[in-house]
Amino acid sequence: DAGVTQSPTHLIKTRGQHVTLRCSPISGHKSVSWYQQVLGQGPQFIFQYYEKEERGRGNFPDRFSARQFPNYSSELNVNALLLGDSALYLCASSFAGGQGNSPLHFGNGTRLTVT
Amino acid sequence: AQTVTQSQPEMSVQEAETVTLSCTYDTSENNYYLFWYKQPPSRQMILVIRQEAYKQQNATENRFSVNFQKAAKSFSLKISDSQLGDTAMYFCAFMKHVYLGGNAGKSTFGDGTTLTVKP
Repeated sequence: DAGVTQSPTHLIKTRGQHVTLRCSPISGHKSVSWYQQVLGQGPQFIFQYYEKEERGRGNFPDRFSARQFPNYSSELNVNALLLGDSALYLCASSFAGGQGNSPLHFGNGTRLTVT
Repeated sequence: AQTVTQSQPEMSVQEAETVTLSCTYDTSENNYYLFWYKQPPSRQMILVIRQEAYKQQNATENRFSVNFQKAAKSFSLKISDSQLGDTAMYFCAFMKHVYLGGNAGKSTFGDGTTLTVKP
């Protein structure tokens, strides 16, 4: 079975631009979460979607938005990019969000560099 | 809000020996889950082991085991018979329990411990 897939793998953008990151969950998983991992730190929670509805939002500005599609895939959008947005963006899927017996399965991430 | 602290930024161990990684957390929740994830240089975060807070018995997965001390809010990972493939960054993570369809079961991560297994 395919794992969580993220695209693109790497991305270089200029300050002020917009970026869209994509994630396809494991088949059958209904929850998708997004995390930002700055170099040398642990992942920070950005969003969680379950059954196409936003279920949680971390402490990130409104420049960050996301959505989940009927096939449970998801997009993370970031507007007006700042240098500080440079990070590894991780997508994780689970069968049921918030259930400890349904742990997170992570993709390989998208490395975003803002210049 | 929950916090997770990993006080050992870097550790090293000789191949075949045992190493313990520390993790403490702070929460007012009573029903939650704790996880250890491994992130090798390939970047993919992989679940190593999980513990349910209401279970007193410590979780084990082959060479990996935890020492869960709920009152002390401590959750350490022991790796026995260390192998070169265990070299990675290890993250401790907390997730509160929510009911199906409820609000986010977000995971809170520590800043990680870089483990190097030496031949």
